[in-house]
Amino acid sequence: GAVVSQHPSWVICKSGTSVKIECRSLDFQATTMFWYRQFPKQSLMLMATSNEGSKATYEQGVEKDKFLINHASLTLSTLTVTSAHPEDSSFYICSASGLADRFNTGELFFGEGSRLTVL
Amino acid sequence: EDQVTQSPEALRLQEGESSSLNCSYTVSGLRGLFWYRQDPGKGPEFLFTLYSAGEEKEKERLKATLTKKESFLHITAPKPEDSATYLCAVQARAGNTPLVFGKGTRLSVIA
Repeated sequence: GAVVSQHPSWVICKSGTSVKIECRSLDFQATTMFWYRQFPKQSLMLMATSNEGSKATYEQGVEKDKFLINHASLTLSTLTVTSAHPEDSSFYICSASGLADRFNTGELFFGEGSRLTVL
Repeated sequence: EDQVTQSPEALRLQEGESSSLNCSYTVSGLRGLFWYRQDPGKGPEFLFTLYSAGEEKEKERLKATLTKKESFLHITAPKPEDSATYLCAVQARAGNTPLVFGKGTRLSVIA
């Protein structure tokens, strides 16, 4: 089946540094990718919607200058957390949606997630 | 605003003790209701998609049902390996719209 791969699966960084997380669709073209954030024992909260070749759409309260999203190809989207601070520590998960005529399951495929810890 | 509420927040079962998880939702034009399983430190793993009231789907010990206001995930004779957080989500309208998730039900199955 379709697979979405995230890298890195975990990262520890110092406060003030930037971290890039990659999300790849391995065997299908992802026209749309979604980035979620999940705090412990909380639900997945949508951060932004990314369409290939266009600017990402951010949810209310999400700083677009802090969470930079690039979706330059149909198989890769990246999330860069700029000038990270301890409060940015969280579990970041991407999901990808493919062409509707190929996958008729209604399924959104999720990556394995990336655990970010900012010291 | 689309909303998903799951109950209970946590559930502890003995192995073999069947039960149901509830997912209540409000959404403008339901495209699909999704059930996912999430293990600690992992991304959600797809279980089911339900599209219309009255629809049912089964997979091993799990069975999902849908009405116009809620969905149930029935777990029959659970095993310890069924322990996980079960997430319910809805997708509104057509097209590539994101899922709106509930907070999940943390299921623990004790041997």
